[in-house]
Amino acid sequence: NAGVTQTPKFRILKIGQSMTLQCAQDMNHNYMYWYRQDPGMGLKLIYYSVGAGITDKGEVPNGYNVSRSTTEDFPLRLELAAPSQTSVYFCASGRNKETQYFGPGTRLLVL
Amino acid sequence: RKEVEQDPGPFNVPEGATVAFNCTYSNSASQSFFWYRQDCRKEPKLLMSVYSSGNEDGRFTAQLNRASQYISLLIRDSKLSDSATYLCVVIKAAGNKLTFGGGTRVLVKP
Repeated sequence: NAGVTQTPKFRILKIGQSMTLQCAQDMNHNYMYWYRQDPGMGLKLIYYSVGAGITDKGEVPNGYNVSRSTTEDFPLRLELAAPSQTSVYFCASGRNKETQYFGPGTRLLVL
Repeated sequence: RKEVEQDPGPFNVPEGATVAFNCTYSNSASQSFFWYRQDCRKEPKLLMSVYSSGNEDGRFTAQLNRASQYISLLIRDSKLSDSATYLCVVIKAAGNKLTFGGGTRVLVKP
């Protein structure tokens, strides 16, 4: 099993550009989550999903969108990149909410 | 007040020593508690769950104090490889969200 994979590993965006952060898992997990982690800080939940077709907002959803058309994939969309979105983005999945497996992260720099 | 709070550290620990640190949570409805470990520039990984009766996994002991609303992690016989940031995670009984603390950084030195 590859576990949780994220692409790209690193990206530089200009202000106002859009991009999609990809996340995929091959463990047949229903629960999937997107977090962001700013330097020296803990993780903040952006969006989560408890199954295909179901998504819900987390603590910091503004400026982001998600979709969950399949069990395996949970992409995160940034429509108009802003410097405040410079962060490390982690995707996680789990069979339940208690145990989460994280991907390696995507480092995003918005200039 | 933050929902989950941790001393950011760093805790500088001589190799072989014992270190302990706490995590406080504000919501008494919190049900499940975990410790995650995060190495520098890496993803968090589950270290251990925290049960009401406390639990031990090798050199690591986690405890829960519901009355005072905190959980603790104790590391015995610290190894250089224990250097990491330890994240406290709290889950409420209702809902599907995890709340992470800001992390406690531990540096084990020879």
